[in-house]
Amino acid sequence: AQSVTQLGSHVSVSEGALVLLRCNYSSSVPPYLFWYVQYPNQGLQLLLKYTTGATLVKGINGFEAEFKKSETSFHLTKPSAHMSDAAEYFCAVTASGGSYIPTFGRGTSLIVHP
Amino acid sequence: DSGVTQTPKHLITATGQRVTLRCSPRSGDLSVYWYQQSLDQGLQFLIQYYNGEERAKGNILERFSAQQFPDLHSELNLSSLELGDSALYFCASSADSPLNEQYFGPGTRLTVT
Repeated sequence: AQSVTQLGSHVSVSEGALVLLRCNYSSSVPPYLFWYVQYPNQGLQLLLKYTTGATLVKGINGFEAEFKKSETSFHLTKPSAHMSDAAEYFCAVTASGGSYIPTFGRGTSLIVHP
Repeated sequence: DSGVTQTPKHLITATGQRVTLRCSPRSGDLSVYWYQQSLDQGLQFLIQYYNGEERAKGNILERFSAQQFPDLHSELNLSSLELGDSALYFCASSADSPLNEQYFGPGTRLTVT
């Protein structure tokens, strides 16, 4: 079985500030990890994913995430927030040899202040 | 544009009624997933079809059913609707591997009055 916990249902930052969205997972087998973004009135779209190899993964729009096995974490960061980053962010996990159905976190709403 | 289409975009109906939501997956994807998104429950997996066959079931009510047709489009049928069924319903498609991300459609917003 696998699960995802996103700490903080809302995160508020100022434009230009660092963005940090937290995701912790549990999985009995090596995980595959994803971050999706959902803009208002749209479906989810992939930001980045980790499968194997390099643990620091770069995605679209300047976002990146680092897989830390010892901490069972996959936190999402961006050095400088833009107003256009305001959206809902979802962390998800699947697992090799397990269900293909991703388990999604509850989501974190990113609010960017001017 | 994800390549996944959903119709209708909005649906307003009364309690007790039945509706059908339609989804066309991204070209080449054999897997279709249905999700329900509401404020209190978050994103809930309902059901998955792969190449016409049901593959996995999640938190899908007995009043709900789905199917995938030979041309790979899928329909989600919701019957005996209740106020609590008001939500966004998403369809997603993917290649058949846990490595692969899902591509989401724009969703159908269902309002039950």
